Amino acid sequence: DQQVKQNSPSLSVQEGRISILNCDYTNSMFDYFLWYKKYPAEGPTFLISISSIKDKNEDGRFTVFLNKSAKHLSLHIVPSQPGDSAVYFCAARLNNFNKFYFGSGTKLNVKP
Amino acid sequence: NAGVMQNPRHLVRRRGQEARLRCSPMKGHSHVYWYRQLPEEGLKFMVYLQKENIIDESGMPKERFSAEFPKEGPSILRIQQVVRGDSAAYFCASSPPYGQLNTEAFFGQGTRLTVV
Repeated sequence: DQQVKQNSPSLSVQEGRISILNCDYTNSMFDYFLWYKKYPAEGPTFLISISSIKDKNEDGRFTVFLNKSAKHLSLHIVPSQPGDSAVYFCAARLNNFNKFYFGSGTKLNVKP
Repeated sequence: NAGVMQNPRHLVRRRGQEARLRCSPMKGHSHVYWYRQLPEEGLKFMVYLQKENIIDESGMPKERFSAEFPKEGPSILRIQQVVRGDSAAYFCASSPPYGQLNTEAFFGQGTRLTVV
């Protein structure tokens, strides 16, 4: 039962343009959402998060948007840089259960 | 403050042998998660443990796989009688104790298991 879904396995973007990575979830009880970035042969690293009481959180070039009515999460990277090329995982957590549910990942390729 | 430590980084086993993967959580973290990433696939949840307690093992294969997180020492993921299909990257993550809101899980570098 995949409660967090990333329907785009890959995305290719030109350097300097915006990258938009999408994520959908099914459990309305999730109250904390996260994005992780993963380079080959390394563990995922935390990138940015958002609480369910907010609809936007921004950190430099990275902004996460949450649309609770649509159960949809997105990560915007602008401007995209070649170093952003990695696999991005979205995750959701139930705060009263402390378990993290991950999507299957989107491989972002930023072309110079 | 060391991060999540996994060892070994690379492990080669022959079919039928046992694989033991170790994970030391971050200091102060009492929750450990194990995930598996098969080639060209995403992170698949395996098991969620607290000290001396398995909270959720719904992602663990029913046979040959077991996990523990003893009171002292690292968490261990054990795979008995390994088969080629067990070849994957195994990631451990840890998080603070239950009740701390809005915290992330921190991942180790992973153990890459190759079964030959």
